[in-house]
Amino acid sequence: GAGVSQSPSNKVTEKGKDVELRCDPISGHTALYWYRQSLGQGLEFLIYFQGNSAPDKSGLPSDRFSAERTGGSVSTLTIQRTQQEDSAVYLCASSYKGRSGSATDTQYFGPGTRLTVL
Amino acid sequence: GESVGLHLPTLSVQEGDNSIINCAYSNSASDYFIWYKQESGKGPQFIIDIRSNMDKRQGQRVTVLLNKTVKHLSLQIAATQPGDSAVYFCAEKGTGGFKTIFGAGTRLFVKA
Repeated sequence: GAGVSQSPSNKVTEKGKDVELRCDPISGHTALYWYRQSLGQGLEFLIYFQGNSAPDKSGLPSDRFSAERTGGSVSTLTIQRTQQEDSAVYLCASSYKGRSGSATDTQYFGPGTRLTVL
Repeated sequence: GESVGLHLPTLSVQEGDNSIINCAYSNSASDYFIWYKQESGKGPQFIIDIRSNMDKRQGQRVTVLLNKTVKHLSLQIAATQPGDSAVYFCAEKGTGGFKTIFGAGTRLFVKA
């Protein structure tokens, strides 16, 4: 079906506010990833979900960041008390085989959510 | 795979010429490598991949070369077109792990 979708495409918020970013992965994909991309830079891994396993949160930069994945499908990335340094594009990706031992799970990316914290 | 800030390496080529984008990867245990293309305002898009048991793989107008001895990966684009203008990322992944490590990216400009 359709590719990975993310919403909103753009979000402008004030410093100190909470934001929620949504990702709809490709149907049937078991793995879901969140990345952060600052202007002109590469991709910074944030968090990884695989099936019903506990997520790997090793990339989350602070406890203000959290993510959930409901029903093995839609994921929400929440940033509490946003700071100006949180401004970036937040990218979501999904893959069919994200389990350990599978080396060739190609990730399909959404268009990203551009977050601007004023 | 950390970023290099605002000053991405840049490659400028003439339309119709071949492009070669290079990448040095960090982990000798990585056994799967991918090239992604990211156009302005879009997410990265898969181009081509290669396993560590190969040293060359060809796609449509693209070829990936892998040199494990020096941990070097390259992407060759034949007859480069204006639509090839984008940022290109190499990525590496190891067996038994899920995490894909992305390089900093190279910006390709194609001059008409």
